[in-house]
Amino acid sequence: GAGVSQSPRYKVAKRGQDVALRCDPISGHVSLFWYQQALGQGPEFLTYFQNEAQLDKSGLPSDRFFAERPEGSVSTLKIQRTQQEDSAVYLCASSLQRSTLTDTQYFGPGTRLTVL
Amino acid sequence: AQSVTQLDSHVSVSEGTPVLLRCNYSSSYSPSLFWYVQHPNKGLQLLLKYTSAATLVKGINGFEAEFKKSETSFHLTKPSAHMSDAAEYFCVVSGSSGGSNYKLTFGKGTLLTVNP
Repeated sequence: GAGVSQSPRYKVAKRGQDVALRCDPISGHVSLFWYQQALGQGPEFLTYFQNEAQLDKSGLPSDRFFAERPEGSVSTLKIQRTQQEDSAVYLCASSLQRSTLTDTQYFGPGTRLTVL
Repeated sequence: AQSVTQLDSHVSVSEGTPVLLRCNYSSSYSPSLFWYVQHPNKGLQLLLKYTSAATLVKGINGFEAEFKKSETSFHLTKPSAHMSDAAEYFCVVSGSSGGSNYKLTFGKGTLLTVNP
């Protein structure tokens, strides 16, 4: 079946602009995650949703970052007043169950954000 | 808190020779451990995972890893490298205090180059 999809795949923004990144998880997956991957680094956790509830946003780097999943499926990560340090690949992942130690997270291809 | 150290940032092998990618972890809890592979412009793909069952874990494409608690290691191996194995590999640990079992902590990655 279809995997996790993300759009756009590439986004160039001028510093100070707002951006919105979309994630379509695998159908029926309860859990959804956002990660940020800086150049040459491993992904870092940003936030976690269980259905429409945002249960953990401890990884969001500032209050300029906001994520939502209003109907428990598609999710949007919004970054306000973008800064150059926001340049990174933003990865979305979903998993079938509620948070468990062993559950596999399936990743999308990512959105590469470049802030000029 | 848990952490992952990938001991080599870059490994280069010849096609048909064995592959060894090294990973050490630190965790206060019994962790789950994963290896993911990332090909250019593609999403992270799960190679294999350890979830406290058998310590020798077999994954896709001929890869396997052995969990060694005494050495806190989870090295990834393959008997014979193929050109298509060239990619970035991430060692990942899940599980932390406070019930956030879903949080994945990634290593910085090892770039595998396969020479003809």
